[in-house]
Amino acid sequence: DAMVIQNPRYQVTQFGKPVTLSCSQTLNHNVMYWYQQKSSQAPKLLFHYYDKDFNNEADTPDNFQSRRPNTSFCFLDIRSPGLGDAAMYLCATSSPRGRADEQYFGPGTRLTVT
Amino acid sequence: DAKTTQPNSMESNEEEPVHLPCNHSTISGTDYIHWYRQLPSQGPEYVIHGLTSNVNNRMASLAIAEDRKSSTLILHRATLRDAAVYYCILRRFSGGYNKLIFGAGTRLAVHP
Repeated sequence: DAMVIQNPRYQVTQFGKPVTLSCSQTLNHNVMYWYQQKSSQAPKLLFHYYDKDFNNEADTPDNFQSRRPNTSFCFLDIRSPGLGDAAMYLCATSSPRGRADEQYFGPGTRLTVT
Repeated sequence: DAKTTQPNSMESNEEEPVHLPCNHSTISGTDYIHWYRQLPSQGPEYVIHGLTSNVNNRMASLAIAEDRKSSTLILHRATLRDAAVYYCILRRFSGGYNKLIFGAGTRLAVHP
């Protein structure tokens, strides 16, 4: 089945130690998104790629970066994680040519910062 | 940013219909109304969307007020698997792309 895959599902990192979360998709969608979801809150968009074009949300901290080496993969890099960065990180994809421009979400990576 | 307002939580009994309300008084003419749900320990999944007319699909129905300032997601017969957080979202074209603006969501509990 075509899907959005996130690895790992759970990630523990130390305060200040860089960490990378990965996302891959078999849907061949142009657009890939990264969201941050803190406990009991709604997902918050960090940034997205439209093909190779990177679009950062205005309030996304500089600590968060992203890379998209090809259509299938997208990475979220947190350069110096703080305790406040502990959250679920969700990757999503969409195709502007899709039926509803709906977004397909992965299961998320839960990040713990110790 | 456009904002949606939903009840924090609702409860339903299994096999009964559920009406989940959403207010979006600042909606603009080109905003689509999307609903997603998030089951425990999963990413959100698309449920339904609409612009002006009521919509039906295999999962749910969406009733949109004539002035578009509110909408209601209707689950015709709730099952235990429908227990989730339901997000009412405005899909806005901004900065050259479609952006989902999530509301706080309604946590739906379904009782046997």
